[in-house]
Amino acid sequence: SAVISQKPSRDICQRGTSLTIQCQVDSQVTMMFWYRQQPGQSLTLIATANQGSEATYESGFVIDKFPISRPNLTFSTLTVSNMSPEDSSIYLCSVEERRTFGSGTRLTVV
Amino acid sequence: QKEVEQNSGPLSVPEGAIASLNCTYSDRGSQSFFWYRQYSGKSPELIMSIYSNGDKEDGRFTAQLNKASQYVSLLIRDSQPSDSATYLCAVSNDYKLSFGAGTTVTVRA
Repeated sequence: SAVISQKPSRDICQRGTSLTIQCQVDSQVTMMFWYRQQPGQSLTLIATANQGSEATYESGFVIDKFPISRPNLTFSTLTVSNMSPEDSSIYLCSVEERRTFGSGTRLTVV
Repeated sequence: QKEVEQNSGPLSVPEGAIASLNCTYSDRGSQSFFWYRQYSGKSPELIMSIYSNGDKEDGRFTAQLNKASQYVSLLIRDSQPSDSATYLCAVSNDYKLSFGAGTTVTVRA
């Protein structure tokens, strides 16, 4: 079956630093999505990443804080920049075609 | 007003009983409806999708959709301890998913 791989699976980072999360899909997909799940809460869409164009961000999320790359149809990265403890969350990537999620990245900012 | 609302939990049911989960949505243009199961510390897993009014059954799971009432539900029959998880309702009218807050289900042996 189709697989969406994310890495790292978890990380503990110092405030003020940045972390780049990678998402790899085993087949070509048109759209990739990045979600955030804060502790005890549901999923919130951060942005939609299309290959060859800039990502589309949802209200409350900006490119300077969450830059996204989409270099090809199977890969995307999300960077969480200048982190603060409020960024501690699970970050998940997803693809439209299968409505499934990667395994997630559990980020803790200290 | 929240876009997607789920019945508040937690919901505790005895093993073998039916667990009933409800979800309402505000966008009348919504076309696609999904139920995800999320175990603690894991990512959400798609368990049901439904696109037209009526019932859809898959094993012990039945999804029900009523677009006129803007309501979607999930029934879990013969609940098992392994069904203990948080269930997320998600709604889409294009390519984006909007999620409810989730309902935590505990199946007690």
